[in-house]
Amino acid sequence: RKEVEQDPGPFNVPEGATVAFNCTYSNSASQSFFWYRQDCRKEPKLLMSVYSSGNEDGRFTAQLNRASQYISLLIRDSKLSDSATYLCVVNKNTGKLIFGQGTTLQVKP
Amino acid sequence: GAVVSQHPSWVICKSGTSVKIECRSLDFQATTMFWYRQFPKQSLMLMATSNEGSKATYEQGVEKDKFLINHASLTLSTLTVTSAHPEDSSFYICSARGDFGAEQYFGPGTRLTVT
Repeated sequence: RKEVEQDPGPFNVPEGATVAFNCTYSNSASQSFFWYRQDCRKEPKLLMSVYSSGNEDGRFTAQLNRASQYISLLIRDSKLSDSATYLCVVNKNTGKLIFGQGTTLQVKP
Repeated sequence: GAVVSQHPSWVICKSGTSVKIECRSLDFQATTMFWYRQFPKQSLMLMATSNEGSKATYEQGVEKDKFLINHASLTLSTLTVTSAHPEDSSFYICSARGDFGAEQYFGPGTRLTVT
């Protein structure tokens, strides 16, 4: 079983749609959680950290459920520029980042 | 701030040759650097962790004699792929972390193609 699991998609949505991605992790000792965005043939870039209380950054909302070991990312009012791969990332207590496979989002006009 | 560069951005080499990839932290001192590999449509896989002045710690399944890592200064780490083979063709990405926080800053990656 992978340490971080994501549905690879692709998710094809029209502009303006709301889309949600989910992620599960297997190591209950994981300490911190992130969503990264990766564009084709580029390095990953930090989108946002994920906190147990839930956090929002503009159109993006992240949630963490430690009991279920589940992380989510909600994107509202999708833009064409949101098209990318979204990586769920877990920081183990060793300081290492464990990446999920990524979920591909394609926003269509 | 917190910029990481990699060189080269892409390289094509013949099977059997060695390739060196550099990772530099441009505006901070990187006490720890990480090397990742990403095959098409797969996630980033951590290959090794290196701390300045000490030997790298390799992840399970990564051959330390094939992927030589040197972290000789607080701003430079190098990854040398020795005797490269076509199956080593991949996207190699480094990241760096300073002593000011837990966040890792990623380099732009190096695309290696072995023919």
